[in-house]
Amino acid sequence: DAGVTQSPTHLIKTRGQQVTLRCSPKSGHDTVSWYQQALGQGPQFIFQYYEEEERQRGNFPDRFSGHQFPNYSSELNVNALLLGDSALYLCASSPPGGTEAFFGQGTRLTVV
Amino acid sequence: KNEVEQSPQNLTAQEGEFITINCSYSVGISALHWLQQHPGGGIVSLFMLSSGKKKHGRLIATINIQEKHSSLHITASHPRDSAVYICAVPTGGTSYGKLTFGQGTILTVHP
Repeated sequence: DAGVTQSPTHLIKTRGQQVTLRCSPKSGHDTVSWYQQALGQGPQFIFQYYEEEERQRGNFPDRFSGHQFPNYSSELNVNALLLGDSALYLCASSPPGGTEAFFGQGTRLTVV
Repeated sequence: KNEVEQSPQNLTAQEGEFITINCSYSVGISALHWLQQHPGGGIVSLFMLSSGKKKHGRLIATINIQEKHSSLHITASHPRDSAVYICAVPTGGTSYGKLTFGQGTILTVHP
């Protein structure tokens, strides 16, 4: 089992551009959560997807959007990138019943 | 005041020492997570516990729900234990939903 996989691992974008990050959950997991971790800070919850719908959302602007596919994989989209969006973006998946949470290695996004 | 507070923020130890990291939270929870993050890396889940104590190898996690406090202990610490240790609690109403994280404890173990 590959666990939670995220792609790409690193990404450099220019201000104003758009970016899409991808997450494949651990086998058997149906819930995907996304977090943003700025340098030196703890992760901040962006949103969570379950049954292809956004179930919970943190305090992030509408520039941050997502999607979950029928195979439970998920995408995080960020529009009109700002320098402050530079961070490690983490994906976590959970199984039905939510007895655990597995994290991916993250995508390091740098906005220049 | 943050919903999740960890102490200490930085911890330096010699190999073999017993390590304790503390986590206090202010919200009612169903479970608490202890996580490990190596520099530049993703997060590894160490424990999810809702009561009592759990042990995995040299790691022990305890929680007191009434006092809203949890501790992570590392016995016989080793340089490979050097990492950031983070506690996190669900604040979205379920044990696996929206997690709120502590600020992390940076542990450095010297040989």
